[in-house]
Amino acid sequence: GAVVSQHPSRVICKSGTSVKIECRSLDFQATTMFWYRQFPKKSLMLMATSNEGSKATYEQGVEKDKFLINHASLTLSTLTVTSAHPEDSSFYICSASPLAGAYEQYFGPGTRLTVT
Amino acid sequence: AQSVTQPDIHITVSEGASLELRCNYSYGATPYLFWYVQSPGQGLQLLLKYFSGDTLVQGIKGFEAEFKRSQSSFNLRKPSVHWSDAAEYFCAVVYGNKLVFGAGTILRVKS
Repeated sequence: GAVVSQHPSRVICKSGTSVKIECRSLDFQATTMFWYRQFPKKSLMLMATSNEGSKATYEQGVEKDKFLINHASLTLSTLTVTSAHPEDSSFYICSASPLAGAYEQYFGPGTRLTVT
Repeated sequence: AQSVTQPDIHITVSEGASLELRCNYSYGATPYLFWYVQSPGQGLQLLLKYFSGDTLVQGIKGFEAEFKRSQSSFNLRKPSVHWSDAAEYFCAVVYGNKLVFGAGTILRVKS
């Protein structure tokens, strides 16, 4: 149980375009979803926290207009990287929790974004 | 500031040898502590967690960790490492509504 999927697993896009990453909880309802970014050989940095039906809470330094997060249902959250640039290339990982809070998170397999 | 420190960036052990990965945290109250493992290009898998109770926690894949309040530590151990344990290991602590990760320790296993 507690499976989280991400789609796509890899995406290459041209600079200036937008790309959407989906995060789904497959066998539970996710009250809270989290989006992380992981730079090469670095740890995970929390980008934002989202609760179903409400606006995401972004971490300091994360541009909310650039990284659009939508948590439209209890099983789906999306991250859209708008007007992507090469510096946005990274590994993006989502997690989902059946609880309101960070105590029980189940992680997706990650999405490798490369912006050319 | 809230922080999680994993002092070892890389560790190499021989297959069959014992392993200890170090983790220290800064937090005043009883922390919620986690260890995750990440294989290259993959997401994170939870190995074990500590919320309260017995300070020696058993996890999956033969791993265990011990919470030591006096040392603000939550070190991960395994008595006999297998080649398949080669991966990156992250210690994490819940601070408020966030999970804060250490920098990670890359484990290499030599045969």
